[in-house]
Amino acid sequence: QVQLVESGGGVVQPGRSLRLSCAASGFTFSTYGMHWVRQAPGKGLEWLALIWYDGSKRYDADSVKGRFTISRDNSKNMLYLQMNSLRAEDTAVYYCARDLWDSGFKFLDYWGQGTLVTVSS
Amino acid sequence: EIVLTQSPGSLSLSPGERATLSCRVSQSVSSTYLVWYQQKPGQAPRLLMYGASTRATGTPDRFSGSGSGTDFTLTISRLEPEDFAVYYCQQYGSSPPYIFGQGTKLEIK
Repeated sequence: QVQLVESGGGVVQPGRSLRLSCAASGFTFSTYGMHWVRQAPGKGLEWLALIWYDGSKRYDADSVKGRFTISRDNSKNMLYLQMNSLRAEDTAVYYCARDLWDSGFKFLDYWGQGTLVTVSS
Repeated sequence: EIVLTQSPGSLSLSPGERATLSCRVSQSVSSTYLVWYQQKPGQAPRLLMYGASTRATGTPDRFSGSGSGTDFTLTISRLEPEDFAVYYCQQYGSSPPYIFGQGTKLEIK
């Protein structure tokens, strides 16, 4: 079955960096695009980034452009989010999610359980 | 940039009642790109509906979606206890960002 497991969260000081990982299993990772989505405590969902199945295209939300970078290693079935210059407002649960295009429809069909990032001094 | 506005922000209903949740988009989008997710406390979001009206695998048929252009609706015909959750709409169109609405919290009355 499809599994997405995030890791790498924790407490980090403002201005520092952190790299999140998402381990994928149960499907052919190299044929799917992947997203990062975050959720601040008590708040809604915020889409962050998308990377194509082969890594050839990446898209970022304006809120993280220039600070966060999505990447992947298809040989390891891993998705990453490199987060630099972290701010208090980046405190959130970070989810990875699988991208699916089906008969013209597009959606995020599987989500990991998330990893909590707390930016605090 | 497209904005998705969900209403109401919260809804208090009893099991067995009908729930109607709205998602209004700031500019017309194809219904192909309107998606609904359900999130229960402490859990990741779960895909509920895509293409505005197509139920995802495992979504009970008491859930239905409708709408076009700028106005979309998620309806739950008869609420079951497990339906009380937060619901998000998302526009997943041809270009990013793939914005979510702010969510509607469906609470037990």
